[in-house]
Amino acid sequence: KNQVEQSPQSLIILEGKNCTLQCNYTVSPFSNLRWYKQDTGRGPVSLTIMTFSENTKSNGRYTATLDADTKQSSLHITASQLSDSASYICVVTPRKSTASKLTFGTGTRLQVTL
Amino acid sequence: DAGITQSPRYKITETGRQVTLMCHQTWSHSYMFWYRQDLGHGLRLIYYSAAADITDKGEVPDGYVVSRSKTENFPLTLESATRSQTSVYFCASSQTTGGFLTDTQYFGPGTRLTVL
Repeated sequence: KNQVEQSPQSLIILEGKNCTLQCNYTVSPFSNLRWYKQDTGRGPVSLTIMTFSENTKSNGRYTATLDADTKQSSLHITASQLSDSASYICVVTPRKSTASKLTFGTGTRLQVTL
Repeated sequence: DAGITQSPRYKITETGRQVTLMCHQTWSHSYMFWYRQDLGHGLRLIYYSAAADITDKGEVPDGYVVSRSKTENFPLTLESATRSQTSVYFCASSQTTGGFLTDTQYFGPGTRLTVL
């Protein structure tokens, strides 16, 4: 069964610090990998999407990297802000699949404090 | 710019009752989806629709019914609610071009459903 594992489960950092979230997947071959941000009580919002041939994608202070050989992706947040407090979800789409095959990770809950 | 909306935002019901969750999008996206989100699980797909009158099962369809008579609406019905259906339900949509495989899914704000 295709799986997406995220680590750590939760993380607390001080405002202004950097952090890196991890996503390991077993889905292969895959079409794309996405990172979503989900604020408490809200729906997920897309941060980045990378195809299998891309290594990195940035969106402001968010930078996602992808290593297809090791089946790992990371989301790096630079100079964190209180508004970065949220859950971050990794989603992998298998190649040539239907919508039912999208695999969601359980997310990393990030808390940014003063 | 309403985007994608869900109603109600909160719902408490009793076991055995029928409940319908509404989803409405203003972008004319072809694809629409229903997910449930529970602690310890990633988002799980219940049903999805590629266009009006076209629906298909996802990972956890049992106990749910969907319909899509109009492109903009995609209601989800729990025919006889059970406690295990207590969850947060999210509706999502994506653009036509490339379908969901390459396009971003836009999520609604969610409906928190409690079944007593």
